[in-house]
Amino acid sequence: NAGVTQTPKFRVLKTGQSMTLLCAQDMNHEYMYWYRQDPGMGLRLIHYSVGEGTTAKGEVPDGYNVSRLKKQNFLLGLESAAPSQTSVYFCASSSPVRDTEAFFGQGTRLTVV
Amino acid sequence: AQRVTQPEKLLSVFKGAPVELKCNYSYSGSPELFWYVQYSRQRLQLLLRHISRESIKGFTADLNKGETSFHLKKPFAQEEDSAMYYCALSGQTSGSRLTFGEGTQLTVNP
Repeated sequence: NAGVTQTPKFRVLKTGQSMTLLCAQDMNHEYMYWYRQDPGMGLRLIHYSVGEGTTAKGEVPDGYNVSRLKKQNFLLGLESAAPSQTSVYFCASSSPVRDTEAFFGQGTRLTVV
Repeated sequence: AQRVTQPEKLLSVFKGAPVELKCNYSYSGSPELFWYVQYSRQRLQLLLRHISRESIKGFTADLNKGETSFHLKKPFAQEEDSAMYYCALSGQTSGSRLTFGEGTQLTVNP
């Protein structure tokens, strides 16, 4: 059982380049999330999705776009990368129940130079 | 708005000593509180949630609505407890969407 898988694990981008991070889950979860983790700031929600074909903005959405074309996949796109987007990105998935556990991917370490 | 605060970025204790990781929250309704842990080079995983009222790996946490706190405690710390700990909250209108605190890096020294 793979759980939540993120691709790639590491990436270095030049300022202005674009890229897409892929998140895949095999638990048939309705909800999926993208967070960024920065030292001293915890995890901040970028975008989330409550079902196939739906997305919504989180706390820090600027500079990112997402798509949920299939229930099991949630893509995070950076159209024009900036050094401020250097971070560790985590994908997570969960059921809609409030007190349920969220399952996280292993993270993607992105450096923008 | 909902907010979670963990006042200590770093916490260092000796093996066998008690440990308490502080978590305070701000939320006007009835929150669901969680503690997540991230061991070195591993993904975040759920440690415990207040609704379960259980002890996991010797850790417990009690929701104090009067003080709006959800501190994590363990009476005798072990070296393998060294990790980053995050307190998190989900609100009544946010479903299972979580708001995280800043995290506390716990180091248990031998």
